[in-house]
Amino acid sequence: EPEVTQTPSHQVTQMGQEVILRCVPISNHLYFYWYRQILGQKVEFLVSFYNNEISEKSEIFDDQFSVERPDGSNFTLKIRSTKLEDSAMYFCASRDSPAKNIQYFGAGTRLSVL
Amino acid sequence: QKEVEQDPGPLSVPEGAIVSLNCTYSNSAFQYFMWYRQYSRKGPELLMYTYSSGNKEDGRFTAQVDKSSKYISLFIRDSQPSDSATYLCAIISGTNAGKSTFGDGTTLTVKP
Repeated sequence: EPEVTQTPSHQVTQMGQEVILRCVPISNHLYFYWYRQILGQKVEFLVSFYNNEISEKSEIFDDQFSVERPDGSNFTLKIRSTKLEDSAMYFCASRDSPAKNIQYFGAGTRLSVL
Repeated sequence: QKEVEQDPGPLSVPEGAIVSLNCTYSNSAFQYFMWYRQYSRKGPELLMYTYSSGNKEDGRFTAQVDKSSKYISLFIRDSQPSDSATYLCAIISGTNAGKSTFGDGTTLTVKP
């Protein structure tokens, strides 16, 4: 069964460093998302991406964050200068069409900022 | 007021019990209703999906939506220890961006 894959599973970084979280969405999907979940808290929307541009972003998704689809298969989330409070699980999700509004989630990347 | 409020739990039931998990929402623009299961430090796994009022059944799971009351439920029949997990309701508006708004989650433990 097709699935969303995320790498790495765990990323440890120093405060102030840049990180790139990688996702390979399901191959025929057109809409891509990033969510995050701080430990013990709910899953929060960060950004949606369609047709090579951001469709919607939350207040969390400030200038430190950016997304890119550098080729036909990868979808990345970059955090330019990490802060301690960026420590969280980051989930990528994808869906295939406007009509079928089902999002499939990856297993997540655990980001630890020290 | 939160957009999506979920009964907080935690919930502990004996094996074989019927479990009821509930969420309310405030925005009438919400049109798509999902239930996800999440194990510790893993991604949300889609369980049920519906967009209309009424019941939808899949094996031991039944999703119920009441749009007039802005209330959604997930029922688990004959609960098993393997059902122990955190259950998340998620709701999507009808916009093309289609972001999911999640409840806080309810942690369920099914004791053998």
